[in-house]
Amino acid sequence: EDQVTQSPEALRLQEGESSSLNCSYTVSGLRGLFWYRQDPGKGPEFLFTLYSAGEEKEKERLKATLTKKESFLHITAPKPEDSATYLCAVYMDTGRRALTFGSGTRLQVQP
Amino acid sequence: DARVTQTPRHKVTEMGQEVTMRCQPILGHNTVFWYRQTMMQGLELLAYFRNRAPLDDSGMPKDRFSAEMPDATLATLKIQPSEPRDSAVYFCASGLVSPSEQYFGPGTRLTVT
Repeated sequence: EDQVTQSPEALRLQEGESSSLNCSYTVSGLRGLFWYRQDPGKGPEFLFTLYSAGEEKEKERLKATLTKKESFLHITAPKPEDSATYLCAVYMDTGRRALTFGSGTRLQVQP
Repeated sequence: DARVTQTPRHKVTEMGQEVTMRCQPILGHNTVFWYRQTMMQGLELLAYFRNRAPLDDSGMPKDRFSAEMPDATLATLKIQPSEPRDSAVYFCASGLVSPSEQYFGPGTRLTVT
């Protein structure tokens, strides 16, 4: 069965303390992996799309990478405003041909 | 600043009542998605449309949920009759041809008592 698993479920960092979030997937026919950020009471906000293993994307303090089995969202020197839930989603060549989301990682960055 | 809009933002209703949620996708986007988010299940896809035609509604309870797109600027999700287990945040998202990023609206928080 196709699955998307995110870890850790929750992460608390001090401001400036870099870390990584993981999204592992067991799907066939991956056509794209997406990262979203969700703030409380709001809809998910698109961050990145990765299409092939080895690809990397960067935006400010965030960097997303993709391998054949997982994706990492690296957060360098985070600030309190980076606190949010980070969701990954996969788009597959089979099945419903729509995004399947993981359960998310709740990130809290303390000043 | 192009955005997906959803109305109402909050809805409290009694069990058995009809609920209609509306979504205006970003102009020019041809794909519209309806999702439901709960603490237990996370973000689940209910249905999606491309060029106003329903492509997949397998995530919806067919006996009580219906989704339509009467024109390119309006998508609706109806629940009739509503049940307490339908309490959740319902998101609409729009995008271009898949696979591509989707842009989410602010959501409708539904509470069924």
